[in-house]
Amino acid sequence: DIVMTQSPDSLAVSLGERATINCKSSQSVLYSSNNKNYLAWYQQKPGQPPKLLIYWASTRESGVPDRFTGSGSGTDFTLTISSLQAEDVAVYYCQQYYTTPYTFGQGTKLEIK
Amino acid sequence: QITLKESGPTLVKPTQTLTLTCTFSGFSLSTSGVGVGWIRQPPGKALEWLALIYWNDDRRYSPSLKNRLTIIKDTSKNQVVLTMANMDPVDTATYYCAHQRYNNAWYPLDYWGQGTLVTVSS
Repeated sequence: DIVMTQSPDSLAVSLGERATINCKSSQSVLYSSNNKNYLAWYQQKPGQPPKLLIYWASTRESGVPDRFTGSGSGTDFTLTISSLQAEDVAVYYCQQYYTTPYTFGQGTKLEIK
Repeated sequence: QITLKESGPTLVKPTQTLTLTCTFSGFSLSTSGVGVGWIRQPPGKALEWLALIYWNDDRRYSPSLKNRLTIIKDTSKNQVVLTMANMDPVDTATYYCAHQRYNNAWYPLDYWGQGTLVTVSS
């Protein structure tokens, strides 16, 4: 299995400030034939299912605010929220869908400082 | 508009077999490049991918749970059924089903059901 490790486990950021969450995979999730990284980011608020934010490491899902940016390639990835809003308080998960089993990171809890 | 909804028992006893149904709309599992997966989340813990079935009946399972899981599809009913044998209290979790598609490349799980909480207790 590909192991996904996120850092930090929790993060407190002031409103309007930048939040950065990291994700590392135990092996590359870059598919060489199409040069796409099979890495997704999800946001999960209490009592709700995960919501897809970013796929192929950097493509924003339709309707996701542009303050959410995904970057990285191979084994190292980052989710950046450029200016934290109150509604961004949630747990964020990275997931590889390069190969089954599609594994998730342990989650990063984002709070307001 | 794609929607998915999980259904099944809220309480099962240890050693029993859990049967969950995902009923979906807005797509067909007979269409090339479509899949439906199951994911679970114990209370307060992380997401765990369980299984996935594709339009061509290809089935994938979590290696750690493979001996206990079975996933099947009923395209006429727009349903996917997951069974998990020999339930244990550690299997207490919210169980989600989700949609996946292929369009020149695989997308991740993009549409999710609301989830159903299953408690394992005697």
